[in-house]
Amino acid sequence: DAMVIQNPRYQVTQFGKPVTLSCSQTLNHNVMYWYQQKSSQAPKLLFHYYDKDFNNEADTPDNFQSRRPNTSFCFLDIRSPGLGDAAMYLCATSRDRGRANIQYFGAGTRLSVL
Amino acid sequence: GQSLEQPSEVTAVEGAIVQINCTYQTSGFYGLSWYQQHDGGAPTFLSYNALDGLEETGRFSSFLSRSDSYGYLLLQELQMKDSASYFCSNGSSNTGKLIFGQGTTLQVKP
Repeated sequence: DAMVIQNPRYQVTQFGKPVTLSCSQTLNHNVMYWYQQKSSQAPKLLFHYYDKDFNNEADTPDNFQSRRPNTSFCFLDIRSPGLGDAAMYLCATSRDRGRANIQYFGAGTRLSVL
Repeated sequence: GQSLEQPSEVTAVEGAIVQINCTYQTSGFYGLSWYQQHDGGAPTFLSYNALDGLEETGRFSSFLSRSDSYGYLLLQELQMKDSASYFCSNGSSNTGKLIFGQGTTLQVKP
């Protein structure tokens, strides 16, 4: 089945130790998104790629970076995780910008920072 | 700017019908979509209204009135598994971004 896959499902890191989360998709969608979601809150968009065009949200901390080496893969790098970065990180795709209302989400990576 | 308002919690009994309302203020409107998220899970797309009217998908229906900046999600024949958070959202075809409301937690009781 075509889908969005995130690895790992659970990630534990130490304060200040860099961590990379990965996302792959078999839908061949042009747009890939990274969201941060904390308990009882809505997903918060960090950035998105339209093909290779990177779009950063104004309030996304510099501590968060992303790479999209090809259509299928996208990575979220947290350079120096702080305690406040503990959250669920969700990757999503949409076919193109015009279909942003219909997004397909991965199962998420739950990040713990010790 | 964009904002979407929805109730924080709704409780209903199994077999009943529940309606989750969403009002929005957006600088540009590109349709209203609804997502379901179970606790610990990922959001799942439910329904999308680009134009006014009702969209029906099985037990779930979604309605949009652009003149009233209002929409709702209707869940019929409620089941225990429908207990989840439901988000209304607005996507922009210009920016490719999706803005979420704060979510409504639905609790279905026996």
